[in-house]
Amino acid sequence: AQTVTQSQPEMSVQEAETVTLSCTYDTSENNYYLFWYKQPPSRQMILVIRQEAYKQQNATENRFSVNFQKAAKSFSLKISDSQLGDTAMYFCASNAGNMLTFGGGTRLMVKP
Amino acid sequence: DTGVSQNPRHKITKRGQNVTFRCDPISEHNRLYWYRQTLGQGPEFLTYFQNEAQLEKSRLLSDRFSAERPKGSFSTLEIQRTEQGDSAMYLCASSLAGAGGPDEQFFGPGTRLTVL
Repeated sequence: AQTVTQSQPEMSVQEAETVTLSCTYDTSENNYYLFWYKQPPSRQMILVIRQEAYKQQNATENRFSVNFQKAAKSFSLKISDSQLGDTAMYFCASNAGNMLTFGGGTRLMVKP
Repeated sequence: DTGVSQNPRHKITKRGQNVTFRCDPISEHNRLYWYRQTLGQGPEFLTYFQNEAQLEKSRLLSDRFSAERPKGSFSTLEIQRTEQGDSAMYLCASSLAGAGGPDEQFFGPGTRLTVL
């Protein structure tokens, strides 16, 4: 069984600042992937970034990067130079085969 | 590429009625997934298809729920004898099976079900 926990229900950040969203997970899989998805208000969910568990190097996608601590089962998302369009729900997820297990989400508000 | 589409976008029904939702995946995608998302929570996996075969079902998928993908293209999710606890957003996603690692799942806009 897999569990994903996001301990920050809501966060806010000033435009252009940096924010970090936390995620911890538990899995019995040896080979797994971790994901961050973004769900803007009334819009569909999109993949932000993914990390392969067997890779030590942290994934980066433009302003988005992760801090993957495998031993601690921690997978945080850092958003640099926050933009108003980053306002959304962010979900951390892990996979077991093709099934995704999601955390409860963090609502991020970027303030002008 | 029109993305994953779902119809209807909103459905209001009375308890005890049957409802059916449709999902049209991205055209070349051979995998299709259904998730349920209740308010303020993350999506929960319900079931997934590879082509027309239903390969996995969650324990959340009670016998009142049935999903089909008859020709390996669009899929339908039917809920019989709806209950108020079925009120949720039903999300569909599709992906293209790759050579290694999990496929990227592309999500549709969802169907919001309200059971009165």
